[in-house]
Amino acid sequence: NAGVTQTPKFQVLKTGQSMTLQCAQDMNHEYMSWYRQDPGMGLRLIHYSVGAGITDQGEVPNGYNVSRSTTEDFPLRLLSAAPSQTSVYFCASSGNSPLHFGNGTRLTVT
Amino acid sequence: SQELEQSPQSLIVQEGKNLTINCTSSKTLYGLYWYKQKYGEGLIFLMMLQKGGEEKSHEKITAKLDEKKQQSSLHITASQPSHAGIYLCGADSGGSNYKLTFGKGTLLTVNP
Repeated sequence: NAGVTQTPKFQVLKTGQSMTLQCAQDMNHEYMSWYRQDPGMGLRLIHYSVGAGITDQGEVPNGYNVSRSTTEDFPLRLLSAAPSQTSVYFCASSGNSPLHFGNGTRLTVT
Repeated sequence: SQELEQSPQSLIVQEGKNLTINCTSSKTLYGLYWYKQKYGEGLIFLMMLQKGGEEKSHEKITAKLDEKKQQSSLHITASQPSHAGIYLCGADSGGSNYKLTFGKGTLLTVNP
């Protein structure tokens, strides 16, 4: 039972490049969320989904897109990376249970 | 929006000592979650509190939610190096455990 799997673990991008952070869960959880963690700022919610085909914005959604075509997958897309998006990104899922987190993707934008 | 303030921001203790971390909310807490994070890893769920006055324990860690449901404390008894890490409290806005608001975390160092 893998839980929540995030790929890649590390990524370096140049300003303006695009990329997708992958997130998959194998627990059949209904809810999935993306957070970013920055020093001194704690964890902040980017986007979340309450089921396949349903997504909504969190506290800091600008510059990010999401989609939820299946229950298992919830990718996060950066269309045009900016240095302000340098962060550690965590994907999480939950059902009738507390949030279960992946191990994160450390993204650096130069 | 709900804000969570954690104190202290960092804590260094000698192995064997007891310690307490606090989490204060700007609004009434419907659900309060404690997580632990080791550097470079994801968050590990510790405990969840929902009822005013509730107290839960797991091994040497005890968490409490005060009667007014605006503050929680995490107490570690006889700390060990394995307790070192970042402790974060998270709160839901009423039945939404998938969109938690988090405090900024408390960095715990336990010296052997």
